[in-house]
This record gives sequence, C-alpha cells and structure tokens, in this order.
Amino acid sequence: EPEVTQTPSHQVTQMGQEVILRCVPISNHLYFYWYRQILGQKVEFLVSFYNNEISEKSEIFDDQFSVERPDGSNFTLKIRSTKLEDSAMYFCASRKGLAGTEQFFGPGTRLTVL
Amino acid sequence: AQSVTQPDIHITVSEGASLELRCNYSYGATPYLFWYVQSPGQGLQLLLKYFSGDTLVQGIKGFEAEFKRSQSSFNLRKPSVHWSDAAEYFCAPSSNTGKLIFGQGTTLQVKP
Repeated sequence: EPEVTQTPSHQVTQMGQEVILRCVPISNHLYFYWYRQILGQKVEFLVSFYNNEISEKSEIFDDQFSVERPDGSNFTLKIRSTKLEDSAMYFCASRKGLAGTEQFFGPGTRLTVL
Repeated sequence: AQSVTQPDIHITVSEGASLELRCNYSYGATPYLFWYVQSPGQGLQLLLKYFSGDTLVQGIKGFEAEFKRSQSSFNLRKPSVHWSDAAEYFCAPSSNTGKLIFGQGTTLQVKP
C-alpha cells in the first residue's frame, strides 16, 4: 500500500541553523501539506501546496519557513534559522483530489532545536 | 472563526466497555469531518470520515461516528474497547481549502 515517507525521523540542530525536512508524498497525489505538533499540544496546520505553489499558509508559517517541490517526488520544508520554539514533530500529508478526500500522513520528523 | 472542541482531554475505560469521544465544531457550513488516531510515537491514521449522506459512518477497527448537524457534533463511538485502542484521538474538520483543523485531542487509556 502506498504511503507517505519522511526523512529524517529525528533531527537535532543548533539554534540559528537551517534545517530541511523531507517528505515523499504518495505518487499520484496532488495536494501537499505540512503540519506540526509541539509536544503535548494539538496538531497545527502550517502550509498547503498545490500546482507548485503555496495555496494556503497559517500565521505560524512566517518568512523563516519555505516549501519546495524540487522534483516530481520530494516535498520539502525548510526552516531558515531555527529557534528553540521550532522544536516539534513535523508531519507531511498528501491527498489525491478534492477537499474532503482523505489526507495521508507520514510518520513525522521530530525536530529538536538546542 | 473555524474551531473544534474535544471537551475530554483524558478518558479511561475498562477493556470491553463502550466508548464515546466527543467532538464539537464551529463552522459556517457543514465541513468535511474526520477522526484520526495517533498511537505513541506514530503518525496519524484515519479512522473514519463524513462528507455527506448517511449521518452514521463506519470506520476501521470497529469505530463509528455520528454527525448531528443540530448539535454541531461528530462523536466517535466504539461498543467494546480493546487494550490496543489506547492512543490519542483527534477530531478534525476540514475546510473547503482542504486543511485540517485539529482539536486538542483525547487521550484514551484502557484498563485491563
């Protein structure tokens, strides 16, 4: 069964460093998402991506964040200069079609900023 | 503003007992509604979804949920809980742009 994959599973970085979180969505999906979950808190929407551009972003997704689909398979989230409060689990998700169809989630990348 | 409330942060039930997890949402129109489950250290797995039609929807692992428009609720139920159901459960309406808006989650503990 096709699944969303994410690498790395755990990333440790120093404050101020750039990190890139990688996701491989399901191959015939068209809509891509990043969410994050700070420890003990709810899952929060960051950004959605369709047709090679951002379709929606939350107020969390400021200038320090960017997303890219550099080729036909990868979907990346870059944090330019990490802060302590960026420590969280980051989930990638993808869906095939119209709103209301299921989003499939990856296993997440745990980002720890020291 | 769109919002979702899961009033119960933590629920403990005995194995074999019935379960109901509450979810209330605030939306301009009927949203698409989802329940996801997250086991410790795992990602999010879809349990069930409601788009339209029959207001009682069946999901995986014996779960069901009922959409009640008059109460803006989409409560999750299971007639007999198994120890493996211990996890965190998230109700998540979806806007017409597709993003999911997650509730705070309900942690389910199952007593033997």
